[in-house]
Amino acid sequence: GAGVSQSPSNKVTEKGKDVELRCDPISGHTALYWYRQRLGQGLEFLIYFQGNSAPDKSGLPSDRFSAERTGESVSTLTIQRTQQEDSAVYLCASSTHSQGLGGSYEQYFGPGTRLTVT
Amino acid sequence: RKEVEQDPGPFNVPEGATVAFNCTYSNSASQSFFWYRQDCRKEPKLLMSVYSSGNEDGRFTAQLNRASQYISLLIRDSKLSDSATYLCVVRVNRDDKIIFGKGTRLHILP
Repeated sequence: GAGVSQSPSNKVTEKGKDVELRCDPISGHTALYWYRQRLGQGLEFLIYFQGNSAPDKSGLPSDRFSAERTGESVSTLTIQRTQQEDSAVYLCASSTHSQGLGGSYEQYFGPGTRLTVT
Repeated sequence: RKEVEQDPGPFNVPEGATVAFNCTYSNSASQSFFWYRQDCRKEPKLLMSVYSSGNEDGRFTAQLNRASQYISLLIRDSKLSDSATYLCVVRVNRDDKIIFGKGTRLHILP
């Protein structure tokens, strides 16, 4: 079946512009995660959705970052007034875990969006 | 102490050898454990979940030691294609927090 998809695959933007990154999780996966990975670094947790709500936004690095999820499906990560330090690969993952209803915590990742801020 | 710690490596291992690496975690409330592999400039892919009794998948064996709070991954008869970064992942039950380690780089040498 279809895996997690992300778009665009690459995005080059000028400093100060806003960008929107999209994630389509695996159908039926209730949990959705956003991570950031800078070159040569580990994964940095950004935000976690359970259905359409975000019980954990603790990883968002600043108020320039926001995310939403609709229809328990697609999620968008928005970065306003981009800075050069925002350059990274943004990865999305989904899993079947549902609070109180079980499911698996095994995460399946999309191919990522490579963001370059010039 | 970091929540999840891994030796960054690199581990340079000749083809056919056995290699093992550990991952330590600090929170005793951790409940679920996983190993992922990440190839260069690719997304992480689930390698295996780690069960309390230990589990094996072909050449890969994962173990959990709750008393000492670490998990391990053993790769037997290593192949060139095993070259990757191996990420340890821990879920803390209390708040459903999932934490990725920084990864251990493995290079299999021909």
